[in-house]
Amino acid sequence: DQQVKQNSPSLSVQEGRISILNCDYTNSMFDYFLWYKKYPAEGPTFLISISSIKDKNEDGRFTVFLNKSAKHLSLHIVPSQPGDSAVYFCAARKEYGNKLVFGAGTILRVKS
Amino acid sequence: GAGVSQSPRYKVAKRGQDVALRCDPISGHVSLFWYQQALGQGPEFLTYFQNEAQLDKSGLPSDRFFAERPEGSVSTLKIQRTQQEDSAVYLCASSLVVVPGQGGHEQYFGPGTRLTVT
Repeated sequence: DQQVKQNSPSLSVQEGRISILNCDYTNSMFDYFLWYKKYPAEGPTFLISISSIKDKNEDGRFTVFLNKSAKHLSLHIVPSQPGDSAVYFCAARKEYGNKLVFGAGTILRVKS
Repeated sequence: GAGVSQSPRYKVAKRGQDVALRCDPISGHVSLFWYQQALGQGPEFLTYFQNEAQLDKSGLPSDRFFAERPEGSVSTLKIQRTQQEDSAVYLCASSLVVVPGQGGHEQYFGPGTRLTVT
């Protein structure tokens, strides 16, 4: 039962362009959505989150968009930098719950 | 240190051995989580503590898995009689507080322990 899905295993983008990472979910009880970035041999690092009552949250080069009717969220990185190359995980928290449910991740490669 | 630390970073165990994995959360963080990450997958929830109380252990895959946090700080995940399918990265995360319907939802992860069962 995959409640959070990242359907693109990998994405390759030119430096300076926009990176768009997508995530779909099935459970309407999720109340927070989070994006994590992971480098090899390190733990996931929190990037940005959005509450289910919002449709957009921005932090510097990172913007997360939430479309509740489509049960879809996306992470935009503008402009993309080579240091952004990592695995990006989408995660969701169930309302009144504590654990995070993660997608399988998308490998982002930013070419210089 | 300021972050979550885990030890050992790598552990090789023979099938049938018991292992103990340690997590030191960020000082002052009330909530502590354990996740298991298989190769090519996202982390999967194992168990959750609020202070010393284990409030959710629904993700523990079998009774061979046991976690404790006796003083509400350091936590240990113990796996008895390890099997090959236990090979994975075990991640610990901590959070300042988790209040339903409010903030505090960000979890901060340690580097993980890579367990290989041969």
